[in-house]
Amino acid sequence: GDSVTQMEGPVTLSEEAFLTINCTYTATGYPSLFWYVQYPGEGLQLLLKATKADDKGSNKGFEATYRKETTSFHLEKGSVQVSDSAVYFCALSERNYGQNFVFGPGTRLSVLP
Amino acid sequence: KAGVTQTPRYLIKTRGQQVTLSCSPISGHRSVSWYQQTPGQGLQFLFEYFSETQRNKGNFPGRFSGRQFSNSRSEMNVSTLELGDSALYLCASRRTGALDEQFFGPGTRLTVL
Repeated sequence: GDSVTQMEGPVTLSEEAFLTINCTYTATGYPSLFWYVQYPGEGLQLLLKATKADDKGSNKGFEATYRKETTSFHLEKGSVQVSDSAVYFCALSERNYGQNFVFGPGTRLSVLP
Repeated sequence: KAGVTQTPRYLIKTRGQQVTLSCSPISGHRSVSWYQQTPGQGLQFLFEYFSETQRNKGNFPGRFSGRQFSNSRSEMNVSTLELGDSALYLCASRRTGALDEQFFGPGTRLTVL
């Protein structure tokens, strides 16, 4: 079945450092890819998405590129802030109505001032 | 536009009891999915309802069930609670299809004693 693998962390960075969270996937079809973020005590929020190969999703300074050849969707940000501290989930959704989201285990990010 | 709402936010039950959780999707959204989130297993898909019909189901025992009403509101029920059912239960809604963004509610924190 489909699966998503991501570095579990925790990842601890200083403010303004560069962030990369790796995500790779296995899918039987041609999925759409997503990054969700969960702040403490809250539900998940969509951070960015990409629906086809070579698409780049971006939002709030975060970026991720859909790489079909390496089945990857790594999340990057050039300069993190303390407010970026959260848990980040990589996820995929297959292109049919019967398939739901498959999430990775989540990566906890702590940004220190 | 109001977001996804879940009630109650917190719940404490004892083993053997049953519990019902409620989710109200965003207006106009016809799909509601339920997820269980635990530190050990991460985010696991329970089931999805679309137009009052279960469209997809995860790998959970029959003690977990759900339903959707004509106004798209959904409930999930867990019978004969076990300690391992302690988790954050997240509900997500989307308009219709697999490519639509899922919007998550804040979750219901269930503690089984």
